[in-house]
Amino acid sequence: EAGVAQSPRYKIIEKRQSVAFWCNPISGHATLYWYQQILGQGPKLLIQFQNNGVVDDSQLPKDRFSAERLKGVDSTLKIQPAKLEDSAVYLCASSSYREGKAFFGQGTRLTVV
Amino acid sequence: SQKIEQNSEALNIQEGKTATLTCNYTNYSPAYLQWYRQDPGRGPVFLLLIRENEKEKRKERLKVTFDTTLKQSLFHITASQPADSATYLCALVDTDKLIFGTGTRLQVFP
Repeated sequence: EAGVAQSPRYKIIEKRQSVAFWCNPISGHATLYWYQQILGQGPKLLIQFQNNGVVDDSQLPKDRFSAERLKGVDSTLKIQPAKLEDSAVYLCASSSYREGKAFFGQGTRLTVV
Repeated sequence: SQKIEQNSEALNIQEGKTATLTCNYTNYSPAYLQWYRQDPGRGPVFLLLIRENEKEKRKERLKVTFDTTLKQSLFHITASQPADSATYLCALVDTDKLIFGTGTRLQVFP
């Protein structure tokens, strides 16, 4: 079974530039999560999708972050414009049912300079 | 406010001893709680899930307890090995959202 795929693995951008991250979840997984993990902290939920719909995006900074899940499969997370404090690892995860274990990708390490 | 707290300081133990990690939560009523392991540069990996009506769950050298009265979960690794060194995260489901704690770094030395 293929795992959760994320790209790119690393990204360095200047502040005020835009960036996009891509996630391909495990086939058949209805739930998809995007987390932001700052060094030394636990993952912070940015947005959670159930199929095409958004379950929660209360911690997504909507003035600069956006996310979509195409046809209930792949997802993209975009930041525009980026700030220095957006430097973090962005993790994508998926799960097959409500209480099920979440499978994570390797993450994208974003550095904003 | 809602919080999930784990020991912020690293836990250092000697090989062969039992490591015990704590997860305390405030203002949540989770139906179940999960534990994950995270190695540097990698995403978290699921270890165990325990439901609110289960007091204890075991898997090989791992044991998890869940006390809904104390709002606490304990995670034990018996006969710890240097390969167990990693960050351990607890997570709970609140209104269908998967929320993570702050994580505790475990270092097992020979």
